[in-house]
Amino acid sequence: AQKITQTQPGMFVQEKEAVTLDCTYDTSDQSYGLFWYKQPSSGEMIFLIYQGSYDEQNATEGRYSLNFQKARKSANLVISASQLGDSAMYFCAMREGAGGSYIPTFGRGTSLIVHP
Amino acid sequence: DVKVTQSSRYLVKRTGEKVFLECVQDMDHENMFWYRQDPGLGLRLIYFSYDVKMKEKGDIPEGYSVSREKKERFSLILESASTNQTSMYLCASSFPPGQGYNEQFFGPGTRLTVL
Repeated sequence: AQKITQTQPGMFVQEKEAVTLDCTYDTSDQSYGLFWYKQPSSGEMIFLIYQGSYDEQNATEGRYSLNFQKARKSANLVISASQLGDSAMYFCAMREGAGGSYIPTFGRGTSLIVHP
Repeated sequence: DVKVTQSSRYLVKRTGEKVFLECVQDMDHENMFWYRQDPGLGLRLIYFSYDVKMKEKGDIPEGYSVSREKKERFSLILESASTNQTSMYLCASSFPPGQGYNEQFFGPGTRLTVL
């Protein structure tokens, strides 16, 4: 079974509108971390935002916010006021456990296209 | 800024060739990773290393080996390249657990084609 599920292979949004990219996860650990990365067409993955399992507040970084619903095991990325430069692949990832060697698991990604 | 560099952006090799993919990071990260990325499959971990000369198999190590002789350099080796190893290869590095978020920093990727 997949540990990270991204159900939206592709998403379209109008410039300046908000968009939500879905991510659900599966873990039995109490301590874990959730990440979102952006991969533009150039190929380089860029870290966007992090949410720890014990964080009570939803993480925010500029126009990015993470809608963390622990009971539902979901960690959706919300991009407000979409820009043309937001067109990219987006990957959700999870690190389990409080320590160890740190091996994150990635979802299959969502392709976002922002229309002018 | 953290910088992770990979030796080639594009590489074309023939079946049976030995292929070396090099990755260098300049942030003194203990952890380094090699992934392959294929459409619809996301990122799959090939190998990772948490220290010099240490390596651990990931999810798909078959057909690959790695070398980490220096902290900043992590090499991926295809002993005998095959066409099913045509893919995008991504290198990443991170601090160990307990330092920051442990987010990974990625290189630009190497698109390998095996003919």
